[in-house]
Amino acid sequence: GAVVSQHPSRVICKSGTSVKIECRSLDFQATTMFWYRQFPKQSLMLMATSNEGSKATYEQGVEKDKFLINHASLTLSTLTVTSAHPEDSSFYICSAREQGDTQYFGPGTRLTVL
Amino acid sequence: GENVEQHPSTLSVQEGDSAVIKCTYSDSASNYFPWYKQELGKGPQLIIDIRSNVGEKKDQRIAVTLNKTAKHFSLHITETQPEDSAVYFCAAGQGAQKLVFGQGTRLTINP
Repeated sequence: GAVVSQHPSRVICKSGTSVKIECRSLDFQATTMFWYRQFPKQSLMLMATSNEGSKATYEQGVEKDKFLINHASLTLSTLTVTSAHPEDSSFYICSAREQGDTQYFGPGTRLTVL
Repeated sequence: GENVEQHPSTLSVQEGDSAVIKCTYSDSASNYFPWYKQELGKGPQLIIDIRSNVGEKKDQRIAVTLNKTAKHFSLHITETQPEDSAVYFCAAGQGAQKLVFGQGTRLTINP
């Protein structure tokens, strides 16, 4: 149980385009989903927290207009990187939580912006 | 806010030996302490967690201890195997609030 999927696993895009990443909880209903960014050999950096049906809460320093988060259902959250630039290249990981405190992570999405 | 420090940053042990990774936290209100294992190019996988109402929890070769007074918790892996090689992250949180992660420990098991 507690499986979280992400799609796509890898994406390469041109500078200036937008990219959407999907995060799904496959066998439970996720009341809360989190989006993280991870640079090579570094820890997880929380970008935002999203609760189903409400606006995401962004961490300090994360541009909400650049990283659009939608949590339209209890099993799906999306992260859209708008007008991507090379500095947005990173490993993006989502996690999902049903009730309580346990977070389960997805496999991650490697974004490369050319 | 919460701050989590994790040590060591790298750890190399011989296969079959034990490995110990330690974390300290700053917020005494934190009551949930998970440990995640991350393999190269993959997402973190929850391997064990502990809540503040217990001092120790064990699952086969993995155990976690918590000292609330000193505000530190540790991961213990016994009889290490090559497949235990990965990056391990500790985290601390309070109830349904966000987790704060440590900096990670790169564990290498030498055959």
